[in-house]
Amino acid sequence: NAGVMQNPRHLVRRRGQEARLRCSPMKGHSHVYWYRQLPEEGLKFMVYLQKENIIDESGMPKERFSAEFPKEGPSILRIQQVVRGDSAAYFCASSPPAATSTDTQYFGPGTRLTVL
Amino acid sequence: QKEVEQDPGPLSVPEGAIVSLNCTYSNSAFQYFMWYRQYSRKGPELLMYTYSSGNKEDGRFTAQVDKSSKYISLFIRDSQPSDSATYLCAKGGGGNKLTFGTGTQLKVEL
Repeated sequence: NAGVMQNPRHLVRRRGQEARLRCSPMKGHSHVYWYRQLPEEGLKFMVYLQKENIIDESGMPKERFSAEFPKEGPSILRIQQVVRGDSAAYFCASSPPAATSTDTQYFGPGTRLTVL
Repeated sequence: QKEVEQDPGPLSVPEGAIVSLNCTYSNSAFQYFMWYRQYSRKGPELLMYTYSSGNKEDGRFTAQVDKSSKYISLFIRDSQPSDSATYLCAKGGGGNKLTFGTGTQLKVEL
């Protein structure tokens, strides 16, 4: 009964490089959420996706960040031209297909991005 | 003013103590509330989930919501060293996204 899976668990990039973070939702879940956790701060919502659709990206920075959840394969959060301020833990969560605003979200173990 | 306020702690208690963790929120649009537990360098784990005002109990954990004062609490009875973690309160109701407090770090000492 696998939970939400994320990889890699740790990612080191130099400034200007690209970071790709992957998330496979729980079995049977088709809603994916990405959150970012900066040191000493709470989790901040970034984006909510369903298969092939971005539903809410109100928390995404306007530049360099993008997310997708293709019909096949994991959801991907992509950060282009990373800067030191992007260093954080990025968490993915998922919820069931008929998710409403009241459905619980289950989190993965996170990807810790370090930008040198 | 943050939408969800939570005392960061750290909170240190002896084993067996009753722990009280609290959050306040400022937006009445929030309709449901959750508590997550996060161990160091791990993902948040859902503990409790509640819609309404009042109490909800699950084993040693009790979640309490007071919508009139916009105040939510998590009580842990007979606390154990394994309860040492960061506890995050979260609110939903603004679409599907959750709004989190900054977390309270709890340490239960032997």
